[in-house]
Amino acid sequence: SQQGEEDPQALSIQEGENATMNCSYKTSINNLQWYRQNSGRGLVHLILIRSNEREKHSGRLRVTLDTSKKSSSLLITASRAADTASYFCATPSGGSEKLVFGKGTKLTVNP
Amino acid sequence: DTGVSQDPRHKITKRGQNVTFRCDPISEHNRLYWYRQTLGQGPEFLTYFQNEAQLEKSRLLSDRFSAERPKGSFSTLEIQRTEQGDSAMYLCASSLMRGVEQYFGPGTRLTVT
Repeated sequence: SQQGEEDPQALSIQEGENATMNCSYKTSINNLQWYRQNSGRGLVHLILIRSNEREKHSGRLRVTLDTSKKSSSLLITASRAADTASYFCATPSGGSEKLVFGKGTKLTVNP
Repeated sequence: DTGVSQDPRHKITKRGQNVTFRCDPISEHNRLYWYRQTLGQGPEFLTYFQNEAQLEKSRLLSDRFSAERPKGSFSTLEIQRTEQGDSAMYLCASSLMRGVEQYFGPGTRLTVT
């Protein structure tokens, strides 16, 4: 079963624009993670935000977490063609260490 | 390169054959995870190890699947009597401790014909 659901499923923007992706989850979490996957490749960890944090930055990435709404957002500023990829949110499931992923948002940045 | 490595990167096999994949985690990581990903979906958890102990297995891991991590270092995932539905990307990840990021390998893409 899926814990996280990303929205939108697909997003197409021009280089230089900002891209915002959202993730909703169902149960209480102690952290939420965002990953990027280029076509046909492994996942790259982008950022981990803990349940007691509201916002976190890493370079051009900004992640927010609203535990009352069970939602998170990933903002990529000043996008580049190289940001074209699928983006997934993932959360630990219950007391387990396994990550549960959504279906992802497919981002296309047009040069 | 000290990242997670997987071998082979691609495997094409005929239905009914057995296949084995290998994963080498980041050297100091004691936790190792296997996931499966089909087209258009996010990765789905299969199993994980802490050192050599297999601590959790998904219901997706049928009797035809077995995973080992004999000395707490590399791990193997074997699929016996492959079926077309086993065609997927098999991803391995490792982490240093509980509650932190998992680092993924490049994956092994399995095609069952």
